Amino acid sequence: GAGVSQSPSNKVTEKGKDVELRCDPISGHTALYWYRQSLGQGLEFLIYFQGNSAPDKSGLPSDRFSAERTGGSVSTLTIQRTQQEDSAVYLCASSLGGLAVQETQYFGPGTRLLVL
Amino acid sequence: KNQVEQSPQSLIILEGKNCTLQCNYTVSPFSNLRWYKQDTGRGPVSLTIMTFSENTKSNGRYTATLDADTKQSSLHITASQLSDSASYICVVSAPSGYALNFGKGTSLLVTP
Repeated sequence: GAGVSQSPSNKVTEKGKDVELRCDPISGHTALYWYRQSLGQGLEFLIYFQGNSAPDKSGLPSDRFSAERTGGSVSTLTIQRTQQEDSAVYLCASSLGGLAVQETQYFGPGTRLLVL
Repeated sequence: KNQVEQSPQSLIILEGKNCTLQCNYTVSPFSNLRWYKQDTGRGPVSLTIMTFSENTKSNGRYTATLDADTKQSSLHITASQLSDSASYICVVSAPSGYALNFGKGTSLLVTP
């Protein structure tokens, strides 16, 4: 079956521009996560969606970052007025949506963002 | 301060050899520990998951061990193959919520 897909796979943008990153989770997975992976660093939690509950946005690094999840499926991560330090790989993961700490998260291939 | 420390940062071994990767954590209380494999340009893929009551878990040539008393885990790779070249990430969960604590990973290169 299809795994988690993300688009675009690569994105190069100029400083100050807005970007949108898309994530299609595994069908039937109600939990969706966004992470950021900077060079040489571990994954950094950004935001968590679970069903129809209000998302946990506690990991978003600034108000330039926002995310939506429409219809409980596809999610979009938006970065406004991009900065060079936003350059990283943005990974999306999904899981069934049960007891979160017991579940395996399935990751997408990531979007590599480069801000010039 | 990162609550999950991995060592070594990088490792180069010859094809066919064994190797062991280390993970020390300070996450407390503790729920489970996962090892993920991340190929270059791909997302992480789960290899093993262990709860505090488990000491060892195998997945083919990968064997993970856990000492919850000393808060240490290791991932042993037997008879390495070129396809084992990847980053191996240790991930530790607390009992509640969904927050995962990720190590920075060990980058493994298996050479012919």
